[in-house]
Parts: sequence; C-alpha cells; structure tokens
Amino acid sequence: AAGVIQSPRHLIKEKRETATLKCYPIPRHDTVYWYQQGPGQDPQFLISFYEKMQSDKGSIPDRFSAQQFSDYHSELNMSSLELGDSALYFCASSRLFTEAFFGQGTRLTVV
Amino acid sequence: KQEVTQIPAALSVPEGENLVLNCSFTDSAIYNLQWFRQDPGKGLTSLLLIQSSQREQTSGRLNASLDKSSGRSTLYIAASQPGDSATYLCAVPGTGGGADGLTFGKGTHLIIQP
Repeated sequence: AAGVIQSPRHLIKEKRETATLKCYPIPRHDTVYWYQQGPGQDPQFLISFYEKMQSDKGSIPDRFSAQQFSDYHSELNMSSLELGDSALYFCASSRLFTEAFFGQGTRLTVV
Repeated sequence: KQEVTQIPAALSVPEGENLVLNCSFTDSAIYNLQWFRQDPGKGLTSLLLIQSSQREQTSGRLNASLDKSSGRSTLYIAASQPGDSATYLCAVPGTGGGADGLTFGKGTHLIIQP
C-alpha cells in the first residue's frame, strides 16, 4: 500500500540558510499535517491543510511557511535557520476525521 | 489547551507478559484517539484509532480502550515479544475540526527482555 513520502530523508544546512521539505500524501487523502520532533521530545504540531487550504496552526515559527499544491503534495519552507531547528520533521496525511499516517521523516541538521 | 499524559514513562518486562499502557487527556471533547509506535530515529506507525463513539478497538495482540468521559485510554499488549520494544505514543486531535493537529503524550518507552 502507498505510504506518505517525504523528501529529502536527510538535510544538512548552515545557520541562516533556507530549507524546503516536501511531502507526498497517500492518494485520496485530503488532509496534510506537519510536525517537528526534537531529540527526546514528542512530536509537536506545526500546521495542517485540508483540501489545499490552511486549516490549523500550531507552534510554527514565523520563519516557517507551508503550502499545499493542486496535486495535494505539500512543502514546508524554513528560512533563517537556527541551530535549534535541528529536528526530525514529519508529514502525515489522512482523510478528514480518520486515521493519520506518518511519513518516515526528514532529519534536518543545522550547523 | 489539551494536555496528554502517559504513564509509565518507561517499562521493562520479560518476554511473554501482558502489559497495560495508560494515557490521559484533559479535554474530553475529542472525536478520536490514536495510538502510535515509534522506533528510535524512525517514523510513527499507527497502531489503532478509536473513534469517540467506540469503547474498544483490537488489532492482533493489541487492544485499546477509550473512556472519553473520564479522559482515559489504555493500550493492552498481550503476550509481549522482544519486537514490541519501542516507544508508544497516544495522541488526540484538537476539538476545533477535522484537520486539527494531534497533541501527543511524551510516550512510554517499552523494553521487552528476551
């Protein structure tokens, strides 16, 4: 069965650089979520989209933005990167009100 | 603001034991609750989803219950195996609508000794 695909799997950036993470949801899923998981922490919700419209917003820094495109894939853009942005970034998808499925994550390291 | 608590934080037991992991949440106006498994450095694998109208959900050796009014859920693992070693997370969505993000507990780190 198709799963949530994230790219890249690993990313190394320098401070103050920009990063773009991509997410391809499970086919026919209408909702996409982004989460950040720091070392030893539980996942923290960043932002979600339903039918390509922003739906809910969590603890997403102003330096981050996201969008969902017409083909339902989503991108998380992160600017002015800081050392503290180093984390695992997960994308998840679901049909509304149903089970959320997570991708394998992108490990971002800021040096 | 929804808060999710998981007890115990860590658990180490011999193979073959039956286990109960606990999850509590502060806002009972949820429409479902989801249990996940996470291996170190890996993604989250969905184990079970319980809708608010359900009291139990079963998948293989796993059984999850939900008592929405008291803000509690339990995950029962029968006949534990070393391959069950992982961190188990429960999560509930916000109460604003269907695309609300999940709030996670800090997880139970489970070790099954061979």
